Amino acid sequence: GAGVSQSPRYKVAKRGQDVALRCDPISGHVSLFWYQQALGQGPEFLTYFQNEAQLDKSGLPSDRFFAERPEGSVSTLKIQRTQQEDSAVYLCASSPRALNEKLFFGSGTQLSVL
Amino acid sequence: LAKTTQPISMDSYEGQEVNITCSHNNIATNDYITWYQQFPSQGPRFIIQGYKTKVTNEVASLFIPADRKSSTLSLPRVSLSDTAVYYCLVGALDTGRRALTFGSGTRLQVQP
Repeated sequence: GAGVSQSPRYKVAKRGQDVALRCDPISGHVSLFWYQQALGQGPEFLTYFQNEAQLDKSGLPSDRFFAERPEGSVSTLKIQRTQQEDSAVYLCASSPRALNEKLFFGSGTQLSVL
Repeated sequence: LAKTTQPISMDSYEGQEVNITCSHNNIATNDYITWYQQFPSQGPRFIIQGYKTKVTNEVASLFIPADRKSSTLSLPRVSLSDTAVYYCLVGALDTGRRALTFGSGTRLQVQP
């Protein structure tokens, strides 16, 4: 049983570059979340998908951040024109059903913007 | 939203029982209490969830007093591998609220 898989594990980007972070949730999981975790802090919610529908994007910090889950499985978080303050670990989590507090997290993608 | 307060850090020794208390004075009637564990370079892992009284699983116990204004995560006989950050989350998901809020957590350091 594979868990939540995220790629790449590490990403270094020059300021101004666009990046795309991938999340493969556990097969069949309905809910998918993206979180951002700064060094020494707890994860902060970015956005939520229920199947292919993005039901909550209230945590996205700016319009440079965009997420999609077109077929209700794999999700991509895209950050355009990266800034240094975007440097963080981006965590993806999935859950077998909607409105469930038990989440299964991936190991995250560590993004460093130089 | 219920605000949670937990110690920033705790130290323990192998074989001891560790109790981490979380205060949540503004907990709502429908709110659950959920604890996660996070190791370095990994995502958080669900440990336990409860609503009232006591819940126990193979990893931990969760004690919740009658007024539900606090909760205590109990880790029996900790080992070095229990060194991690522990997060207390309070809330219930509904159509108006899709995700729980993580605080800064409690850093537990277990020493030999």
